[in-house]
Amino acid sequence: NAGVMQNPRHLVRRRGQEARLRCSPMKGHSHVYWYRQLPEEGLKFMVYLQKENIIDESGMPKERFSAEFPKEGPSILRIQQVVRGDSAAYFCASSLLTSVAFREQYFGPGTRLTVT
Amino acid sequence: RKEVEQDPGPFNVPEGATVAFNCTYSNSASQSFFWYRQDCRKEPKLLMSVYSSGNEDGRFTAQLNRASQYISLLIRDSKLSDSATYLCVVPSWGKLQFGAGTQVVVTP
Repeated sequence: NAGVMQNPRHLVRRRGQEARLRCSPMKGHSHVYWYRQLPEEGLKFMVYLQKENIIDESGMPKERFSAEFPKEGPSILRIQQVVRGDSAAYFCASSLLTSVAFREQYFGPGTRLTVT
Repeated sequence: RKEVEQDPGPFNVPEGATVAFNCTYSNSASQSFFWYRQDCRKEPKLLMSVYSSGNEDGRFTAQLNRASQYISLLIRDSKLSDSATYLCVVPSWGKLQFGAGTQVVVTP
């Protein structure tokens, strides 16, 4: 059973360009989460999605960031007009289901975004 | 006060020794907890889940103290491969709240 897959693993963008990060959850998992880890910091929650629905986007910056998880295909985290402060590792996680009785999340290898 | 707090370390541990460290959390309603390990800022990997008073898995033991709102992780007979950053994680309505991590360095 393949784990969570993310691509690209490394992405370099110039300031002002768009970055598009992809995440394919583990087989059978319908819940996807995005986290960001800035240099020398811990992981911070960004957004939680189910198929075609955004469940919680309380951790997303108000501008330039968006996420989707379409009915078919991977989840996409899009960052428009990137700035140097967006340089970070972006991790995707998936879980089988979630409720108040929480289920474990499994992480992909991450995409390391560098903005020059 | 942060939602999840950890001593950043580093904890320098001789090979074969025992090391333990704590994590405090602020939400008294939290029911489940996790320890993940992260190597060199790679993806976090689930180490242990804690749903009741504690859990044991081989050389690793997690203890939960609800009254004082902390979780501890104990590693016995430390191996060089245990060197990593250990992340205390508290779920909150689907999303995970991470501590900043405790760095453990096991030395020969």
